[in-house]
Amino acid sequence: EVQLLESGGGLVQPGGSLRLSCAASGFTFSYYAMSWVRQGPGKGLEWVSAISGSGGSTYYADSVEGRFTISRDNSKNTLYLQINNLRAEDTAVYYCAKGPWSGYYRAYFDYWGQGTLVTVSS
Amino acid sequence: QSVLTQPPSVSGAPGQRVTISCTGSSSNIGAGYDVHWYQQLPGTAPKLLIYGNNNRPSGVPDRFSGSKSGTSASLAITGLQAEDEADYYCQSYDSSLSGSVFGGGTQLTVL
Repeated sequence: EVQLLESGGGLVQPGGSLRLSCAASGFTFSYYAMSWVRQGPGKGLEWVSAISGSGGSTYYADSVEGRFTISRDNSKNTLYLQINNLRAEDTAVYYCAKGPWSGYYRAYFDYWGQGTLVTVSS
Repeated sequence: QSVLTQPPSVSGAPGQRVTISCTGSSSNIGAGYDVHWYQQLPGTAPKLLIYGNNNRPSGVPDRFSGSKSGTSASLAITGLQAEDEADYYCQSYDSSLSGSVFGGGTQLTVL
């Protein structure tokens, strides 16, 4: 059974940093691209970032380019999202999501974690 | 404003058929990129409902179906049930943005 378990969320001041983690199990982690998708309070879904199965290719939404860094450790079956220079508009539940193949291009998200809440406030 | 446009809400009585539209442009749906649909029940994570325009993952009832034409796509739900009350999102890829894009979501109410 595929399981994705996010952690690392919390309350942080504007300008602060956080590192989110997503522990994966139930599939061969390195075979699949992974993404982060966020959902602001009462809002819709927004794709944030993706990484290929090997970790060699990364992709970012314009809204987070330069502030967010996605990475993965295939030996630990774990996906990460380093978030820097946080802004109020980054407040959201952050979901990790699995892709259906090793590349990100044209992917959809076949499994989702339960999400971790990031709140940016002073 | 979302790149893909969905109606904010739809409703239907139990047993009825409802459709949810998803309108894009020449850089996403119109460019031939597939459309995928997700169901988000209240307080839970999204769940894949339809992938590749009209394919259902294992376990998704055949009451759910998808279609795509031109720059638009639709999700149809037949035999509406109370448990279908949820938010529904379409998703595709956008070549101008070089990334995945979602619709704003549609809240389905079962009357």
